[in-house]
Amino acid sequence: DQQVKQNSPSLSVQEGRISILNCDYTNSMFDYFLWYKKYPAEGPTFLISISSIKDKNEDGRFTVFLNKSAKHLSLHIVPSQPGDSAVYFCAASRYQGGKLIFGQGTELSVKP
Amino acid sequence: ETGVTQSPTHLIKTRGQQVTLRCSSQSGHNTVSWYQQALGQGPQFIFQYYREEENGRGNFPPRFSGLQFPNYSSELNVNALELDDSALYLCASSPPRGTSGRENEQFFGPGTRLTVL
Repeated sequence: DQQVKQNSPSLSVQEGRISILNCDYTNSMFDYFLWYKKYPAEGPTFLISISSIKDKNEDGRFTVFLNKSAKHLSLHIVPSQPGDSAVYFCAASRYQGGKLIFGQGTELSVKP
Repeated sequence: ETGVTQSPTHLIKTRGQQVTLRCSSQSGHNTVSWYQQALGQGPQFIFQYYREEENGRGNFPPRFSGLQFPNYSSELNVNALELDDSALYLCASSPPRGTSGRENEQFFGPGTRLTVL
């Protein structure tokens, strides 16, 4: 039972444009949502998070949107840069510091 | 500030053998979680340790066991290795609860790539 899903295995975007990565979840008990970026041969790197009491959180070029009624979250990267090319994972947990349930990942390719 | 470190980087074992993977948490972090990442998949939660006690476990059999030491470093032990245990094993540490705004973040090490032949 995949509680967190990223339905797009890959995404290709032109440098300078917006990248939108999507994530759906099924468990309404999730209270915290996080995005991680992963380069080959490295562990995931934390990008940005949001709690269920908010619907938007921004950090520089990264914005996460949460739609609780649709059980959907998205990560927007504006403007996209070639260095953003990596695999992006969304993750969810029921409480702060709790176990993370990850999606399958979306490989983002930003072309110059 | 030293990040999360894991050893070894790579490991090759044969079916039926036992393996121990090690993790040093980031300075000041008292919670350690272990994840298994199979090829093309997202990380899967194995278990979490908080103050040397197991604090949650995922859907993994008992042959996956762990320890956390007083300095908050941790070990993952896998007995009777199977071919499907081949994966990247990730350790993540997180700061003490009550740390302003950061306790939900888990900081990952580079992982140990285990190959079972």
